[in-house]
Amino acid sequence: KAGVTQTPRYLIKTRGQQVTLSCSPISGHRSVSWYQQTPGQGLQFLFEYFSETQRNKGNFPGRFSGRQFSNSRSEMNVSTLELGDSALYLCASSLVQASNEQFFGPGTRLTVL
Amino acid sequence: DAKTTQPTSMDCAEGRAANLPCNHSTISGNEYVYWYRQIHSQGPQYIIHGLKNNETNEMASLIITEDRKSSTLILPHATLRDTAVYYCIVRVVGSGTYKYIFGTGTRLKVLA
Repeated sequence: KAGVTQTPRYLIKTRGQQVTLSCSPISGHRSVSWYQQTPGQGLQFLFEYFSETQRNKGNFPGRFSGRQFSNSRSEMNVSTLELGDSALYLCASSLVQASNEQFFGPGTRLTVL
Repeated sequence: DAKTTQPTSMDCAEGRAANLPCNHSTISGNEYVYWYRQIHSQGPQYIIHGLKNNETNEMASLIITEDRKSSTLILPHATLRDTAVYYCIVRVVGSGTYKYIFGTGTRLKVLA
């Protein structure tokens, strides 16, 4: 069974631009969560989607948004990029909402210049 | 919100047991403790979770103190491939939603 895939793996943007990251969950998984990982703040929860609806949200500004499609694939969007948005963005999938075990993808490394 | 504290780093000899502590003194009665690990350049990997009873699976054992204010992850026979950052996580429930608060993580280095 294929694991969680994230595209692109690496991305370079400049301040003020926007970016869209994609996540394909494990087949059959219906919940997708997003996390931001930085050296200073560690791993921080962004949001969780289940059945195309955002179910949970972390403490991030409205510039961070996401959506989930009917096939459970998810996208995350960051608008008006700031230098501090440079991070590894991780996607995790699970069978159902708030499952005990989440399966993480390899992440997308975003660099904002 | 419950938070966790972990030592920044630990070393362990290959073949010996690695005991990784985690403090979660403000944990609430219905909050679970989870452990994940992250090997360099990979996404985190689930290890184990528990509420108040000790748990064991093929990867590790989780010992939770009776007052639930701390726990210990035990890797019974550490190998070089267990070198990773280990995260102790408390799952917080609030207003009908679930949040995941990651600790700072312990960087475990298994020495040959």
